[in-house]
Amino acid sequence: RKEVEQDPGPFNVPEGATVAFNCTYSNSASQSFFWYRQDCRKEPKLLMSVYSSGNEDGRFTAQLNRASQYISLLIRDSKLSDSATYLCVVLNGGGSQGNLIFGKGTKLSVKP
Amino acid sequence: DAGITQSPRYKITETGRQVTLMCHQTWSHSYMFWYRQDLGHGLRLIYYSAAADITDKGEVPDGYVVSRSKTENFPLTLESATRSQTSVYFCASRPRDRGRLRGNFGPGTRLTVT
Repeated sequence: RKEVEQDPGPFNVPEGATVAFNCTYSNSASQSFFWYRQDCRKEPKLLMSVYSSGNEDGRFTAQLNRASQYISLLIRDSKLSDSATYLCVVLNGGGSQGNLIFGKGTKLSVKP
Repeated sequence: DAGITQSPRYKITETGRQVTLMCHQTWSHSYMFWYRQDLGHGLRLIYYSAAADITDKGEVPDGYVVSRSKTENFPLTLESATRSQTSVYFCASRPRDRGRLRGNFGPGTRLTVT
């Protein structure tokens, strides 16, 4: 089983739509969780961290359910510029150690 | 400017040749990583380094060699390139403090092995 699994999509949505991405991870000892965004042929960039209490950054809301080992990202009022691939990322390891484990990504295409 | 750079950005090489991809960061981050990204596989960790002179294997290390004599540099060498190593290679870094994680990726190197 892949350590981090995501629905690859693509998700094709109209501008203004709300879209949700889900992700599951297999290592129950995983310490930290993130969503990255990757534009075509560019490097991944950190979008936001994910906390158990849930966190929001403008139109983006991330949730973590440790019991279910499930992470989600909600994008409200989608913009054309949100079109990208969204990567679910888990940081494993204890203390100061740890490697980022990436899901394969979910592709989002926002249409006018 | 501070940041993480990779060179070359594009490289075409022949099967069997040795090629080295360079990665340089100016943040003095302890950790550095090499990933490859292929269609259908996402980002896969090749090697990482926790500090100068400390390196360790990731998920797909075969055919690659790394070194880290200085904190700021983390070169990746393909000792005898194969077509299966055609990929986009990303270098990344992060500070030792996990609480200050940043998405510090270099711009990538597109390698084609013919």
